[in-house]
Amino acid sequence: ETGVTQTPRHLVMGMTNKKSLKCEQHLGHNAMYWYKQSAKKPLELMFVYNFKEQTENNSVPSRFSPECPNSSHLFLHLHTLQPEDSALYLCASSQGSVSGYTGELFFGEGSRLTVL
Amino acid sequence: AQSVSQHNHHVILSEAASLELGCNYSYGGTVNLFWYVQYPGQHLQLLLKYFSGDPLVKGIKGFEAEFIKSKFSFNLRKPSVQWSDTAEYFCAVNAQEGGADGLTFGKGTHLIIQP
Repeated sequence: ETGVTQTPRHLVMGMTNKKSLKCEQHLGHNAMYWYKQSAKKPLELMFVYNFKEQTENNSVPSRFSPECPNSSHLFLHLHTLQPEDSALYLCASSQGSVSGYTGELFFGEGSRLTVL
Repeated sequence: AQSVSQHNHHVILSEAASLELGCNYSYGGTVNLFWYVQYPGQHLQLLLKYFSGDPLVKGIKGFEAEFIKSKFSFNLRKPSVQWSDTAEYFCAVNAQEGGADGLTFGKGTHLIIQP
């Protein structure tokens, strides 16, 4: 049990589907993150929310749309994805701050996405 | 922006061997440094971290790392590895001021310990 829960753990979708990944943290943190983990690549930071405000968007294609309704929940909405988007999507949380300082990140177990 | 380089992508050792995994970062300012481990089928978890103070930090499961500022390095060490240390190891950096939010990770080192 990591304190960060991701659902679903596995998702298979076609290129025309619309789906969402969900993340919930029970650690009282104020910052939440989406990372993409692909084989033979470093973890890629996608989005950062600090006190519910998006502070980072690392040139992520618009077919990925994040949503952070409160400090405990984070969503990643997916639509018209490509096969190269198949990867493990990791959610993480940390203590946030107004300066954007990042301490230790706590990760969920990830959602394995396969795009057909 | 900060970046991280891990020198070894695959390492195979026998039990009881000593381990050192290299990590170098690039950033001109003050940084926080981390090593994370991902055991097969499990989530990423923190091994150890350096924010300030003693550059030799000790983590869980007998791991330690030394921050050498002049070399921009934060190498991970363990004097005697066990079969259960088989995992993926990631070095990560965060800039204390002026950098991007979140952690920047290296590509990871896949460590296999042979019994």
